[in-house]
Amino acid sequence: GDSVTQTEGQVALSEEDFLTIHCNYSASGYPTLFWYVQYPGEGPQLLFRASRDKEKGSSRGFEATYDKGTTSFHLRKASVQESDSAVYYCALSRGGSAKLIFGEGTKLTVSS
Amino acid sequence: DAGVTQTPRHEVAEKGQTIILKCEPVSGHNDLFWYRQTKIQGLELLSYFRSKSLMEDGGAFKDRFKAEMLNSSFSTLKIQPTEPKDSAVYLCASSTGGALEQYFGPGTRLTVL
Repeated sequence: GDSVTQTEGQVALSEEDFLTIHCNYSASGYPTLFWYVQYPGEGPQLLFRASRDKEKGSSRGFEATYDKGTTSFHLRKASVQESDSAVYYCALSRGGSAKLIFGEGTKLTVSS
Repeated sequence: DAGVTQTPRHEVAEKGQTIILKCEPVSGHNDLFWYRQTKIQGLELLSYFRSKSLMEDGGAFKDRFKAEMLNSSFSTLKIQPTEPKDSAVYLCASSTGGALEQYFGPGTRLTVL
């Protein structure tokens, strides 16, 4: 079945560090890929999504590029801030379905 | 517009009790989802409704978990009977349908003693 894998369970960085969170997916065709962010005490909220090969999604300084060749959608940010501390989820939906399949989540902690 | 509303925010139950969690989706949204979130399992889909029809009922959760959409603006998740392993955050989300954004509520934190 379809699946999403996030390599890092936890990432600890200092302010202004470069962030990469790896996301790889397994699904046929061209699924829509998402990044969600969840702050403490809140539900996940959409960062951005992409639905075509080589499409770049971006928001709030975060970006990811859909790569069908490597089945990846890695999240990057050039300079993280303490306020970026949260859990980040990669997800996919296939065939126009509303149902999302989530990765395990990556907890990002940024210290000043 | 108001976002997704979930009540209560916290619930403490004794083992064997019946509990009902409530969700009000974003007005006009056709799809509604219930998820369970734990540190070990992450986000697990419990139920998925489209226009009040049940589209998916998570296989592993069928026996004690029952979600219903009483109308287009109100849904409940009943857990009966509760067990300590049900302790988790239960999230409700809604969307307009298709591969579009899901809007999540703040969740209900359930503790079963």
